[in-house]
Amino acid sequence: DADVTQTPRNRITKTGKRIMLECSQTKGHDRMYWYRQDPGLGLRLIYYSFDVKDINKGEISDGYSVSRQAQAKFSLSLESAIPNQTALYFCATSDSQRGQNEQFFGPGTRLTVL
Amino acid sequence: GEDVEQSLFLSVREGDSSVINCTYTDSSSTYLYWYKQEPGAGLQLLTYIFSNMDMKQDQRLTVLLNKKDKHLSLRIADTQTGDSAIYFCAESGGYQKVTFGTGTKLQVIP
Repeated sequence: DADVTQTPRNRITKTGKRIMLECSQTKGHDRMYWYRQDPGLGLRLIYYSFDVKDINKGEISDGYSVSRQAQAKFSLSLESAIPNQTALYFCATSDSQRGQNEQFFGPGTRLTVL
Repeated sequence: GEDVEQSLFLSVREGDSSVINCTYTDSSSTYLYWYKQEPGAGLQLLTYIFSNMDMKQDQRLTVLLNKKDKHLSLRIADTQTGDSAIYFCAESGGYQKVTFGTGTKLQVIP
C-alpha cells in the first residue's frame, strides 16, 4: 500500500466551485506539505504544517486554505476555483526526527478548472 | 527568499553521461537534494549531500557541490532510457521547509 495517498487523482471542475483535495499518510510523519506543479515553474509550496496545531503559509497561499484534521490527514481547499489554479497538486510528508529532511510525495492530483 | 534555478531540458544519447546543473541562492543551505519524478508519479529522493561535503558518489550517480559558487550538479554515468524523467534540485536549511527548483526534463535517446 502507498504510504502517502491523495484523493481524487483527477478532477475537472468549473470556475467558482469549491474543491477539496485530501491527503493521508501512514508513515507516522509529523510534517505535511501541499505543493503545486506547473510546467516551467517547478514545485511551489502552498501550505505546510509541522504538527497538528501548526499551519503555515507557503509562497503561493492566496486562494487556498488547509486543514490538518489529524497527524495523518492534511486537506487542501480551493474556496472558489479559478482557471489559473489548473495544475498538478502534490502532498508530501517528512519526519522532523530525520535530519536530512527527506520529503515523501503522494502520486499527485491533476486538477482542471474550466 | 530562497531561489533554485535549473535549465529546463537536457537530451543525451543512451550510454553517454548526463550532467544536470543547479544554482541556488541561500548561503545557509544545510542539505542539497536531487529528486526524480517519473511520468505520472510524485517525486522521489534520488540522493542528497550535506553542505560540508564536496562530492558524493552512489553507483552511477555523482553529486558535486561548489559551495562558494552555490552550484550543484548531478552526473549520471551510462545513462539509460529508464533515467528519462524530470530531475529537481532542492535545498533546505535542515529542519526547515525545502525549496525546489524548476526541474530539468532529461530525455534519453536510444
